[in-house]
Amino acid sequence: GAVVSQHPSWVICKSGTSVKIECRSLDFQATTMFWYRQFPKQSLMLMATSNEGSKATYEQGVEKDKFLINHASLTLSTLTVTSAHPEDSSFYICSARDPRLAGGSSGELFFGEGSRLTVL
Amino acid sequence: GNSVTQMEGPVTLSEEAFLTINCTYTATGYPSLFWYVQYPGEGLQLLLKATKADDKGSNKGFEATYRKETTSFHLEKGSVQVSDSAVYFCALKAAGNKLTFGGGTRVLVKP
Repeated sequence: GAVVSQHPSWVICKSGTSVKIECRSLDFQATTMFWYRQFPKQSLMLMATSNEGSKATYEQGVEKDKFLINHASLTLSTLTVTSAHPEDSSFYICSARDPRLAGGSSGELFFGEGSRLTVL
Repeated sequence: GNSVTQMEGPVTLSEEAFLTINCTYTATGYPSLFWYVQYPGEGLQLLLKATKADDKGSNKGFEATYRKETTSFHLEKGSVQVSDSAVYFCALKAAGNKLTFGGGTRVLVKP
C-alpha cells in the first residue's frame, strides 16, 4: 500500500520552544493530509485537514495559532507546535489518502508512524 | 454528530481463542465502516472495511459485517495468534472525507 512517513518519530523539547513535525507521502501525491492527536489510552482526535496550496481547516477547539500547518507541496505537510507546553505532550499522527486508489470515497487512509512529543 | 463506541480493553486471551470486539456507531446518512489496527510501535493500518449494509469485510482471518439494523460493525476472529496483539480501532466515514474513530481496544494474546 501507499507509504506515509513522519519525522521525527519522537522529540523532547523545553517549554516555550517550537517543534516542527513533518509528514511525507513517499510514493504518491496527496492534496489532502490529516493531522490527528492521540492521547494515552484514548482514540485519535482529528485536529485539522491540511490542504495543498491553501489554508488548513481546523476542527472545533483546536487553536490554529498554536498548531501551525503548512502543506507546501503535494508530498509534504508540516505541523508546528508553537510555544509548546507540557500539556501539548502527545502522540501526533498524520494520514493521507492515495488518490490513485479506485473509489476515492472508499475512505481508506494511510497513516504515518506517529511522532511522540514530550514537552518538559 | 457522528460517533463510534467500542468496547474498552484490554482484552486478554490465549492463542487460538475466539475474539470479538464490539463496535456500534451513530451517523447521519449511510457511512462506510472500517477497522484499523495499530501494532506496537507502528502507525495505524487498515484491517478491513465495508461500505454498505450487509457487506462483510475480511482480512487476515478477521471479519466484520455491516449491520444497519443494529448500527454495529463487530470485529471477529476465530483463532487468534500472539501476533494479533495490537490496538484495534473502529471508524466510520460519513459525508466528506473525515474519519471518526472509536476509543480503541487493546488486545493481548498470550501463548
